[in-house]
Amino acid sequence: ETGVTQSPTHLIKTRGQQVTLRCSSQSGHNTVSWYQQALGQGPQFIFQYYREEENGRGNFPPRFSGLQFPNYSSELNVNALELDDSALYLCASSGGGARGGNEQFFGPGTRLTVL
Amino acid sequence: QQQVKQSPQSLIVQKGGISIINCAYENTAFDYFPWYQQFPGKGPALLIAIRPDVSEKKEGRFTISFNKSAKQFSLHIMDSQPGDSATYFCAAQYSSASKIIFGSGTRLSIRP
Repeated sequence: ETGVTQSPTHLIKTRGQQVTLRCSSQSGHNTVSWYQQALGQGPQFIFQYYREEENGRGNFPPRFSGLQFPNYSSELNVNALELDDSALYLCASSGGGARGGNEQFFGPGTRLTVL
Repeated sequence: QQQVKQSPQSLIVQKGGISIINCAYENTAFDYFPWYQQFPGKGPALLIAIRPDVSEKKEGRFTISFNKSAKQFSLHIMDSQPGDSATYFCAAQYSSASKIIFGSGTRLSIRP
């Protein structure tokens, strides 16, 4: 059973650019949540996807958008990057299947730096 | 608005000592209170969790104490070891399946 994986590990972009981050959920999980963790802070909830539909959103502007695919992997897209978007972006999967449950299992994150 | 307040920001404890991290919340609708441990370069991992109808939960060296009337809860790490050095986050959820609302974190260092 593979855990949650994220790509890329690190990314450097300039202000105004667009970025796509990817997440592969743990086997058997049908729910993916995305969090933003600024340096020295706790993660902040961005949104959650359940079976390809958005299932809750945090206090983030519309330029943060996402997708979930039929295999339950997910993408986080951020348009018009701002300096304050520099952070660790975490993906967590949960739920589904005979062994599914509510615990959210986190990936190692993607470190985004906006210059 | 910080829904879960955590203290201290950093903590240094001698090996074998007790590490204590405190959290407070405002929203009485929260129904699930997990603690997460995060090592550098890794995502947070669930350590232990409690529901508000229980005053204490113990798993190995880790204990959560919960005071519903005061809206406070704390993590105690007994016999602290250098391998416990990490950042710890308290959190709150409306249910175990809902979004996680994290505290600001405590950076714990255990001195040998």
